[in-house]
Amino acid sequence: DIQLTQSPSFLSASVGDRVTITCRASQGISSYLAWYQQKPGKAPKLLIYAASTLQSGVPSRFSGSGSGTEFTLTISSLQPEDFATYYCQQLNSYLFTFGPGTKVDIK
Amino acid sequence: QVQLQESGPGLVKPSETLSLTCAVSGYSISSGYYWGWIRQPPGKGLEWIGSIYHSGSTYYNPSLKSRVTISVDTSKNQFSLKLSSVTAADTAVYYCARGIAAGPFAFDIWGQGTMVTVSS
Repeated sequence: DIQLTQSPSFLSASVGDRVTITCRASQGISSYLAWYQQKPGKAPKLLIYAASTLQSGVPSRFSGSGSGTEFTLTISSLQPEDFATYYCQQLNSYLFTFGPGTKVDIK
Repeated sequence: QVQLQESGPGLVKPSETLSLTCAVSGYSISSGYYWGWIRQPPGKGLEWIGSIYHSGSTYYNPSLKSRVTISVDTSKNQFSLKLSSVTAADTAVYYCARGIAAGPFAFDIWGQGTMVTVSS
C-alpha cells in the first residue's frame, strides 16, 4: 500500500502570507495526486487534481506541483477563508489513500 | 446542479451491518466514471472505503475489504454501502462522492456526510 505523509501537520500563518504544504508518497505515483480543503463540519472540497490542474471555480491563488513522490500545494496569498485543513490524496492501482492532513490556522 | 445525499441509520449496534445509500440528483449515475465512499472518524482524517466504476468493477480499501460491499442501483440513481460486523472503530461521518470526469484522479462532488455511531 502507498502511504502519504504531509508536512507540516500544523501551520500558523497570517493573511497575505505565502503558504506551502508538502505531500510525500512512499513510492512513485506519477501525477495521480489531488488536494482538498476541509472546513469544520463540512465535506472536503477538491482544489487540485492530477498534481497541478486547478479544479473549476477554485481561486488561482491555489496551485499544485510535483510528480513521482513529492508534491506541493501553494497558496500564494492566504485569505481569511483559507484557514482550514488540507489533505492530499493519491490513486494507485485503483486504490485511493489520503494524507493525514495539514491544519492552517490564524497567527 | 449535481447533488449527492447520504441516508441511513445514525446508530448501529456492534456486530451488525451498516447500510447507507447515496442519492444522486442532477446527474445520471450511469454517466459517472466512478463513485466512492469515504469516512472520517470524529476529530480524525479521511479514510477511503471503496469505489465502484461505470464498468461495475469495485475496489475496496484493503483494511476493510472483507467487510465492505458497494453497489449501484441505476433505476433509482443511487449507490449504496454495506459494512458488516461493525465495531466502535467504525463510528464516523460517512461521505459519498463522485469521481471526477477528467479521469481516475479524485472526487469532485461530495455529499454533506452522515454521522454513524456504533453503540449498543
